[in-house]
Amino acid sequence: GAGVSQSPRYKVTKRGQDVALRCDPISGHVSLYWYRQALGQGPEFLTYFNYEAQQDKSGLPNDRFSAERPEGSISTLTIQRTEQRDSAMYRCASSLPSEGNTIYFGEGSWLTVV
Amino acid sequence: AQSVTQLGSHVSVSEGALVLLRCNYSSSVPPYLFWYVQYPNQGLQLLLKYTSAATLVKGINGFEAEFKKSETSFHLTKPSAHMSDAAEYFCAVSDRARDDKIIFGKGTRLHILP
Repeated sequence: GAGVSQSPRYKVTKRGQDVALRCDPISGHVSLYWYRQALGQGPEFLTYFNYEAQQDKSGLPNDRFSAERPEGSISTLTIQRTEQRDSAMYRCASSLPSEGNTIYFGEGSWLTVV
Repeated sequence: AQSVTQLGSHVSVSEGALVLLRCNYSSSVPPYLFWYVQYPNQGLQLLLKYTSAATLVKGINGFEAEFKKSETSFHLTKPSAHMSDAAEYFCAVSDRARDDKIIFGKGTRLHILP
């Protein structure tokens, strides 16, 4: 697609429920990144993929968070047993290595856990 | 591991005055460096990036940044502030050699005074 597309844009869920956030990167982009951004803070790295391989997941806060990119394109970030502290904007970005690590962000998914 | 420090979470300048937003980086290898801007209720947009060519990098909207290895700095400047420059600005770094994840600073909110 023309840009990075994320869905849902807004999600309100009850504490304890599982949520899945979807990211559709720019067509042909090899690398895909997930970030979390709390209000008034910078994007916090969560994980990234090259093609379908998860290269680094050191930023995932705990084992309730997981991500996959099975076919090297669309990615899903899953949060199990959500907690209120998980409320944040979740941003996806993608890039081509040839562009010197320039990453292009989607609009983000606002998650509110009540 | 690479990191960036943005000095000043809020900066206020008068319209027409010089804008200076400070960023210092830490990296064990020559880095890629970026400035992103986030306008209210919008996603992150790349302003400019340094990838080892010229040390003075020009970006969009009249912004520029200079890579100073001796000072480990990559400060963002604009000669004359405009009201439309009011936004949050993020400095970011990545490890060029490893084509690694991109780490963002906490951000600086720029206020423009009429």
